[in-house]
Amino acid sequence: AQSVTQLGSHVSVSEGALVLLRCNYSSSVPPYLFWYVQYPNQGLQLLLKYTSVATLVKGINGFEAEFKKSETSFHLTKPSAHMSDAAEYFCAVSKAGGGADGLTFGKGTHLIIQP
Amino acid sequence: DTGVSQNPRHKITKRGQNVTFRCDPISEHNRLYWYRQTLGQGPEFLTYFQNEAQLEKSRLLSDRFSAERPKGSFSTLEIQRTEQGDSAMYLCASSLEPGQTQYFGPGTRLLVL
Repeated sequence: AQSVTQLGSHVSVSEGALVLLRCNYSSSVPPYLFWYVQYPNQGLQLLLKYTSVATLVKGINGFEAEFKKSETSFHLTKPSAHMSDAAEYFCAVSKAGGGADGLTFGKGTHLIIQP
Repeated sequence: DTGVSQNPRHKITKRGQNVTFRCDPISEHNRLYWYRQTLGQGPEFLTYFQNEAQLEKSRLLSDRFSAERPKGSFSTLEIQRTEQGDSAMYLCASSLEPGQTQYFGPGTRLLVL
């Protein structure tokens, strides 16, 4: 069984400040981990993914995440927030290597950017 | 590559009616997934196909739900005898091969009155 916990349903940061969105996972098998972003009335867009190659993963729009097995975490960061980053962010986990790879999502974190 | 498309984008129906949604995956993507997202929650996995074969179904997929992917191309998700609890966004995703990135469509928003 797999699960994802996203700490904080809402996170508010000032424009230009560091963005940190937290994700902890539980998995009985080696995981793949993902961060998706969802803008209002749009589908999910992949930001980045961890697939057992490198623990520090760089994604689009300046985001990155670090896989820490000892902490079962995959937190998302961005050094400087932009107004366009305001959206809903979802962390997800799947089984590594394909097979039955339906994603298990967290409940999401709504990122608010203050001007 | 035109992305994953879903039709209709919105559907309003009365309780007890049947509804059918369509998903067109990215061309040549072998895997197709269905998810359901309710307000304030993350998407929940429903089922997936490898070409035309339905390989896994979540316990969320009650016997009122049926999904098909004839010929391994587009897929349909049918809900029979809709209930108010079925109101949600239904998302479709596709990937080229197992373990690869899932690309999501814009979703079909269902409202059951």
